[in-house]
Amino acid sequence: EVQLVESGGGLVQPGGSLRLSCAASGFTFSSYWMHWVRQAPGQGFMWVSGIKSDGITTTYADSVKGRFTISRDNAKNTLFLEMNSLRVEDTAVYYCVPGTIAAGRDWGQGTLVTVSS
Amino acid sequence: DIVMTQTPLSSPVTLGQPASISCRSSQGLVHSNGNTYLSWLQQRPGQPPRLLIYEISNRFSGVPDRFSGSGAGTDFTLKISRVEAEDVGLYYCMQATQFPWTFGQGTKVEIK
Repeated sequence: EVQLVESGGGLVQPGGSLRLSCAASGFTFSSYWMHWVRQAPGQGFMWVSGIKSDGITTTYADSVKGRFTISRDNAKNTLFLEMNSLRVEDTAVYYCVPGTIAAGRDWGQGTLVTVSS
Repeated sequence: DIVMTQTPLSSPVTLGQPASISCRSSQGLVHSNGNTYLSWLQQRPGQPPRLLIYEISNRFSGVPDRFSGSGAGTDFTLKISRVEAEDVGLYYCMQATQFPWTFGQGTKVEIK
C-alpha cells in the first residue's frame, strides 16, 4: 500500500522559510518523478514543483521559481521542498504526489503552511 | 500553461439520478507517447483527493462502476450514472500530459 506522509508545515511570517518533507513507502520511490501540489484554503489545486527520479532534473511553477527548491533522497525514500521568501499567497495544504501513469493516483494527508504576520 | 475549464461549477442532483461534468482543455492533451494523461479526482470535505478515472476512461481500482469517463482531444466528461449520497463532494479534472500539471476549478456535486 502506498503511503505518503508530509510534514514540516506550520505558521511562518511573510519572508520566512520552511522545509517540507514527504516520507514515501509502498512503491519504488527511486523510479518515479515526484511532485508537490498545493491547495489554498477553499480553493483548487496548483502544481508547485517536480523532480525526476535521478534527483537532477527539476521544474517549478513560475510563481515559486527562485524561492522554492525541490530535492529528494532516494536512499531514504524522502522528498523535500525548501521554501524561502514565503508570501501570504503561499498559504496552502501541500501534498506530495508521485508521477505515476495513473496521474493523481496517490496523495498523502498533506501539510498545512500558513504564512501570516 | 494548459487551462482546464470545468462546467458546471455546481451540480445539484437528485439521489439515483445521473450527473455529468464537462472538462475542456485549452490545448490537446495527447502526449508524444500517444497517451492522454487526463484524470478525474474526487475530494470529500476535509479529505485529500481520490483518483477516480485516469487516461480519460480507465476506472481506478475500487472505484464503483457508476463512474465513467470519456472524451478526446480537448473535451472530456465524467459521468455518474446514479448519484449516491457518498458521491457528494468536489470533482476535479487534471492534466498531466504537460508541465505544469493543471487542474479544473472543481465542480461541487450536492444532493437536491
